[in-house]
Amino acid sequence: EPEVTQTPSHQVTQMGQEVILRCVPISNHLYFYWYRQILGQKVEFLVSFYNNEISEKSEIFDDQFSVERPDGSNFTLKIRSTKLEDSAMYFCASSELGTRSGNSPLHFGNGTRLTVT
Amino acid sequence: QQQVKQSPQSLIVQKGGIPIINCAYENTAFDYFPWYQQFPGKGPALLIAIRPDVSEKKEGRFTISFNKSAKQFSLHIMDSQPGDSATYFCAASGGYGQNFVFGPGTRLSVLP
Repeated sequence: EPEVTQTPSHQVTQMGQEVILRCVPISNHLYFYWYRQILGQKVEFLVSFYNNEISEKSEIFDDQFSVERPDGSNFTLKIRSTKLEDSAMYFCASSELGTRSGNSPLHFGNGTRLTVT
Repeated sequence: QQQVKQSPQSLIVQKGGIPIINCAYENTAFDYFPWYQQFPGKGPALLIAIRPDVSEKKEGRFTISFNKSAKQFSLHIMDSQPGDSATYFCAASGGYGQNFVFGPGTRLSVLP
């Protein structure tokens, strides 16, 4: 079964450094997402991406964050200058668009654990 | 109005019991309600989903009950097993590509 893959599984960085989290969505999916989950807490929406542009973003997704689809397979999340409070699990997800009845489910990767020290 | 409320926060049942997790929403534009199961160190995985044109959906031991007028939906796990011990999230979304909003999660423990 096709799956969303994320790398690295764990990233440790110092405060103020830039990090890039990478994702390979399921190949026939058209919508891509980043969510984050602070340890033991709810899954929070960051951004959705469709047709090479951001379709929706949350208040969390400020100017320090950016997303890119640099080629036909990768989808990246960049945090320009990390803060301690950015420490969390970051999940990439994708969904297939195309059913007449509307929404299709999100398929999540296993996440990247970001630790900012 | 974008929130999804979920209860209980945690739940402990004996093997064979029927845990019930409840969710409620306010936004009437929501039209898709999935449940996700998350094991430690893993991403959420889709368990079962329902749209508001039906009141109940069953897949194996998992059943969603949906009450459109009350804007509530719940997950029932029949004959629960220790392997069902995980965190369960309800979610809601409306429209193509619209943001999925997640409930805060319920940590389920099924005792052997």
